[in-house]
Parts: sequence; C-alpha cells; structure tokens
Amino acid sequence: DAGVTQSPTHLIKTRGQQVTLRCSPKSGHDTVSWYQQALGQGPQFIFQYYEEEERQRGNFPDRFSGHQFPNYSSELNVNALLLGDSALYLCASSFNTYTGELFFGEGSRLTVL
Amino acid sequence: AQSVAQPEDQVNVAEGNPLTVKCTYSVSGNPYLFWYVQYPNRGLQFLLKYITGDNLVKGSYGFEAEFNKSQTSFHLKKPSALVSDSALYFCAVRPTTSGTYKYIFGTGTRLKVLA
Repeated sequence: DAGVTQSPTHLIKTRGQQVTLRCSPKSGHDTVSWYQQALGQGPQFIFQYYEEEERQRGNFPDRFSGHQFPNYSSELNVNALLLGDSALYLCASSFNTYTGELFFGEGSRLTVL
Repeated sequence: AQSVAQPEDQVNVAEGNPLTVKCTYSVSGNPYLFWYVQYPNRGLQFLLKYITGDNLVKGSYGFEAEFNKSQTSFHLKKPSALVSDSALYFCAVRPTTSGTYKYIFGTGTRLKVLA
C-alpha cells in the first residue's frame, strides 16, 4: 500500500518564478492538506482540499494556490517566488473525519535563489 | 491566538532512561492532540493521539502520552529510551471548532539519546 507520494523531492528556483508541487494521497484517503515547514520550525498550515474544493486556508498570501483532482491527488502552486518561500512543503492526506490523523509525504524541498 | 508550545528545543537522555518531551497548548474547547516524529530529510510520522477517554494513551514504538486538561498539556513519554529514538518530535493540536480542519504544530523538540 503506497503511502503519500510527493514530487519533485528537491527543486531550485529563482525569485519571481512559479512552481508546482504534486501530491498523491494514501490509498483510500479523500482529503489533502498542504503545510510549509521552514528550517527549524514546525509545519504551518497552508490549505486543505476536500471534494475538489479548498475547505480551509491558513495565513498565506494568494500567491499560494492549489487544486484537487477527481482522483484526490493535489497540486500546490506558488507564484512570484520570494526568498522566504524556501522551505520543505509537506503534503498530508487523511480520511474526512475529525479524529483521523494525518499521513505525511516526505516533502518537496524548495530553494529560492 | 491558538498556539502550541514545546518549551525545550532539545532533550538529552541516556539510553535506557525514561524520557519526557513536553507540550502545552492554548486552544479553546476540547481539541484533539497528536504527536509526530520526523527523521532527517523525511516527512512526519504519526506516533499517537488523544481524542477522548483515558488520559494516558499508548502509541507506536513504545511511546505514550499523558493528557492533563487542567494544565492543557500533552507530554510524550517513554519508559526506556533507545538510541534509535533520536529524532525531532512535534506536538500538534486540532481544534474542534466547527469548520476548522487545520492542525497547529509546535516548533519541535530534538531528542538525543546518548549511548
């Protein structure tokens, strides 16, 4: 049973560019959340997708956008990259229940130069 | 503001000794509580959770956690530490407010188990 898979694992971009990160949830999971983990920090909630809709959004600017597809996979897009966007971006999947734990992928490490 | 505090950046313990990693939270209502572990260059792995019931919950790899409602704490414990337990540990809280789906994470505590 494949867990949460993310791609790419590492990428380097320059300021002002755009990036797309991809996530396939764990089999059977219907909910995908994205978190940003800066160096030395805990994960910060970006947004959550369920039934192809953004269900909740954290304190991130509109430069961060996402999408969920009918097969529950998801993309995170970041436009007009800033140096401060350098971080590990974590995708987490879960069942649509309140009590379910999150299952995380290994992350996409983005470096913005 | 809702927050999770892990007051210790690092905890050092000798192998075989008991360990405690502390977590307190400031979230209204009766949130759900979680512990995750992160190994270098890896994602987070679920260890255990408290939803309701017994204040002592048991999880993976021999870890357990004690919930204290009056102190709003959820400390992670293990009776006998292993060198392989060395990793970064995150406490997380999920508010149960209607329409809230996010998890709030602490800043992490690095556990170092010394042989």
